[in-house]
Amino acid sequence: LAKTTQPISMDSYEGQEVNITCSHNNIATNDYITWYQQFPSQGPRFIIQGYKTKVTNEVASLFIPADRKSSTLSLPRVSLSDTAVYYCLVGDGGFGMRFGAGTRLTVKP
Amino acid sequence: DVKVTQSSRYLVKRTGEKVFLECVQDMDHENMFWYRQDPGLGLRLIYFSYDVKMKEKGDIPEGYSVSREKKERFSLILESASTNQTSMYLCASSSLAGGSETQYFGPGTRLLVL
Repeated sequence: LAKTTQPISMDSYEGQEVNITCSHNNIATNDYITWYQQFPSQGPRFIIQGYKTKVTNEVASLFIPADRKSSTLSLPRVSLSDTAVYYCLVGDGGFGMRFGAGTRLTVKP
Repeated sequence: DVKVTQSSRYLVKRTGEKVFLECVQDMDHENMFWYRQDPGLGLRLIYFSYDVKMKEKGDIPEGYSVSREKKERFSLILESASTNQTSMYLCASSSLAGGSETQYFGPGTRLLVL
């Protein structure tokens, strides 16, 4: 199982761009990188997934360098409602993917 | 939209009781999962199932069992509840779609064992 390392917590202010980096040095060839978001008292929800280079959707962007040993989730112009825990997962399917402790993002006014 | 429902949002049980947590998904997903979540520890996988009547242990299966008699329903059973099983329990489902598999989570059941 590919192990991931991400910061325990981050603070930001409304309107700023937030970048959360995840390290996954032993990522395998078939592994995808998936990010989830979790609000208090709710289950995690899927944000974005990628294999290489850059992926963008209406919520976030995911940057993956050529060696794929890390990835960066980018949240543009965060608001208070983006305060949540963000999880980075690496794997080729649900059975091999594990949630770590995640990064607790706090957005301040 | 995928919907994953869990039988209770909050549950209070006594030590030694048998506890059933039910999870139902409406998207015909093959895979279903049970996690527990504790402060500072993230989500830890208890059991998963990839088909009816099939189950596999996750990382922390001790003290738990599961049942999957129908494709849409996955039950977590605490045979004899203990205080260290007080936790948030989350169910998820996903479809067999290779590397792009995404898990869909229910709202969670917060279990308190007294």
